Amino acid sequence: DTAVSQTPKYLVTQMGNDKSIKCEQNLGHDTMYWYKQDSKKFLKIMFSYNNKELIINETVPNRFSPKSPDKAHLNLHINSLELGDSAVYFCASSQGGSHEQFFGPGTRLTVL
Amino acid sequence: GDSVTQMEGPVTLSEEAFLTINCTYTATGYPSLFWYVQYPGEGLQLLLKATKADDKGSNKGFEATYRKETTSFHLEKGSVQVSDSAVYFCALKPLTSGSRLTFGEGTQLTVNP
Repeated sequence: DTAVSQTPKYLVTQMGNDKSIKCEQNLGHDTMYWYKQDSKKFLKIMFSYNNKELIINETVPNRFSPKSPDKAHLNLHINSLELGDSAVYFCASSQGGSHEQFFGPGTRLTVL
Repeated sequence: GDSVTQMEGPVTLSEEAFLTINCTYTATGYPSLFWYVQYPGEGLQLLLKATKADDKGSNKGFEATYRKETTSFHLEKGSVQVSDSAVYFCALKPLTSGSRLTFGEGTQLTVNP
């Protein structure tokens, strides 16, 4: 059983388009995250939700909007895509203040 | 603010060589420390952790000791295998930050047969 899943795995799109990435976890965790990993493998947190409430909101362009319909899902919508948005986006989850975060397999976004 | 600094990669070793990946941190108080591993094409997985000074985390032959006096958490393995080729991330979680993790920049390890 997949613990944290993301769709799609690959996303290729044109500049200016709007796209969404979906994340689901079946671990019963109450906290979910979005990370961005650039081409040099640097990993940066973007957002975190706890029980559907936004608790971490880093300096991210407001073209990025997370949505958590329930504790098991955290989606990421990106408006007006730019070349610099090309990266691998990882979803993760954890149980509250538990130390371990469980990561999804990543979504590779390429903006042409 | 909190930060993690890892040795620059990439690191290339022959099978059965000794591995050290250095990690030092800056944080207020006593954070928890972690090593995560990312195999090619996959997400990160927790490799090991330590939650207080002098704790040693270990898993799959890897070890790291929480050294408060040197603010370090170096990753070691006595004999690496080709299957250990991956990117390794050191990370910290401050005591009062809730669930926020701060990651280092990652170190690419390649092990050749």
